[in-house]
Amino acid sequence: EAGVAQSPRYKIIEKRQSVAFWCNPISGHATLYWYQQILGQGPKLLIQFQNNGVVDDSQLPKDRFSAERLKGVDSTLKIQPAKLEDSAVYLCASSLTAGTGNTIYFGEGSWLTVV
Amino acid sequence: QKEVEQNSGPLSVPEGAIASLNCTYSDRGSQSFFWYRQYSGKSPELIMFIYSNGDKEDGRFTAQLNKASQYVSLLIRDSQPSDSATYLCAVNRSGAGSYQLTFGKGTKLSVIP
Repeated sequence: EAGVAQSPRYKIIEKRQSVAFWCNPISGHATLYWYQQILGQGPKLLIQFQNNGVVDDSQLPKDRFSAERLKGVDSTLKIQPAKLEDSAVYLCASSLTAGTGNTIYFGEGSWLTVV
Repeated sequence: QKEVEQNSGPLSVPEGAIASLNCTYSDRGSQSFFWYRQYSGKSPELIMFIYSNGDKEDGRFTAQLNKASQYVSLLIRDSQPSDSATYLCAVNRSGAGSYQLTFGKGTKLSVIP
């Protein structure tokens, strides 16, 4: 079974530039998450989708971050304009449904460095 | 604010010893608890989850949960160098309807050959 796919794996941009990350969840997984993991910290949830609807985006800095999941499969996370503090790994994850007991599987992550 | 606290370590144990990793959480309504392992530069992978008070064993790993004390731990028996990684404690946010995990900062474990 293919895992959660993410691209690009690595990106270096200057502050105030924009960047977009793509995620393809495990086939059949209805729930998709974007987490931000800053070096030395645990992952922090940015946004959760159930199919193509947003379940929770309370921790998403909406002035610069946006995410969409058109057609309920792939998802894109965009940052515009980027700040130095956005340097982190952006982890996409998916689970079969949003119910307790469903394992959340993580992708390899997209590493962002803002200089 | 709902928080998950872990000692960041590093925790160093000799090969073959028992490694004990601890985690406390602030939300009394938390219902399920997870341990993820994260190798350097890799994504988190699930080791174990536990829902009920007491112990749950899976091979060399034992998860322990005490909801009254808001405490969850992971024991790794017969530690191997390949167990060297960061261990993330995660808690399912209460208020269901949406299944989310809140993570601690992780404890870095080093198993010395």
